[in-house]
Amino acid sequence: QSALTQPASVSGSPGQSITISCTGTSSDVGGYNYVSWYQQHPGKAPKLMIYDVSNRPSGVSNRFSGSKSGNTASLTISGLQAEDEADYYCSSYTSSYTGVFGTGTKVTVL
Amino acid sequence: QVRLQESGPGLVKPSETLSLTCTVSGVSISSYYWSWIRQPPGKGLDWVGYIYYSGSINYNPSLKSRVTISVDTSKNQLSLKLRSVTAADTAVYYCARDGSTSGWFLDYWGQGTLVTVSS
Repeated sequence: QSALTQPASVSGSPGQSITISCTGTSSDVGGYNYVSWYQQHPGKAPKLMIYDVSNRPSGVSNRFSGSKSGNTASLTISGLQAEDEADYYCSSYTSSYTGVFGTGTKVTVL
Repeated sequence: QVRLQESGPGLVKPSETLSLTCTVSGVSISSYYWSWIRQPPGKGLDWVGYIYYSGSINYNPSLKSRVTISVDTSKNQLSLKLRSVTAADTAVYYCARDGSTSGWFLDYWGQGTLVTVSS
C-alpha cells in the first residue's frame, strides 16, 4: 500500500490560517469517512487531532478543523499559534482492512 | 486514565527477532482494537498492524511475511514480533488504541521505544 501524499512543509504567520492536504485514492481516503489527523512534536508520541474526517476529540482546540472532498482530505489550522509548530500526519482506513499514514507535513510558524 | 507502555530490548542484531510488549492500563484490552506503528529516525509514521482480542488481525502488506502481533488478555498486554530484522527496521515503535467502534483512529499512544538494529 502507498502512503497518502501530503506536502512536505507548510508555513504561516501567527494568527493566519493554513491548510494541509492529504491525497489518497478511492480505496482509502475517497472510500471511507475514516480519515484522522495527528500532531507530533519532536521526541513525542503523535496526538490525535481530528477523527472521522471532521470530528475533534475532547480537549483539542476548535482552531483545528477537517474536511474531505473526493480522494483528498484537508486539515485547517486557524489562528496559527507558536505551539502549533509540529509535524502533522493524516491517516485513513483502506479497502484492504489496513491502516495507512500520510507522508507527513512540517508546519512552521514564521 | 488509559496508559500504554512499550518495553523490550533497545538493540537487536541483524537477522534476529525484534520482540516488544505493550502493557495497557486503565482499560480492558478486550474492548478495543490495538495497533503497532513505527517511525524510523527522521522519517514518517508506518502502520505495522492491528489486533482484536478475539483473533482479528491484519498486517501491513510490506511486513506481513515477518511480523506477528498477539494479545495476552490475562496480562492486558499486546506484543510484537518482527523476524529477520535489518537496519531498515531501526525505528521508534509505538503501540496505540483504536478508539473507534467502526472506523479507524488512534486515540491513545504509548511513549514509544527506540529499537536499533546493529551488530
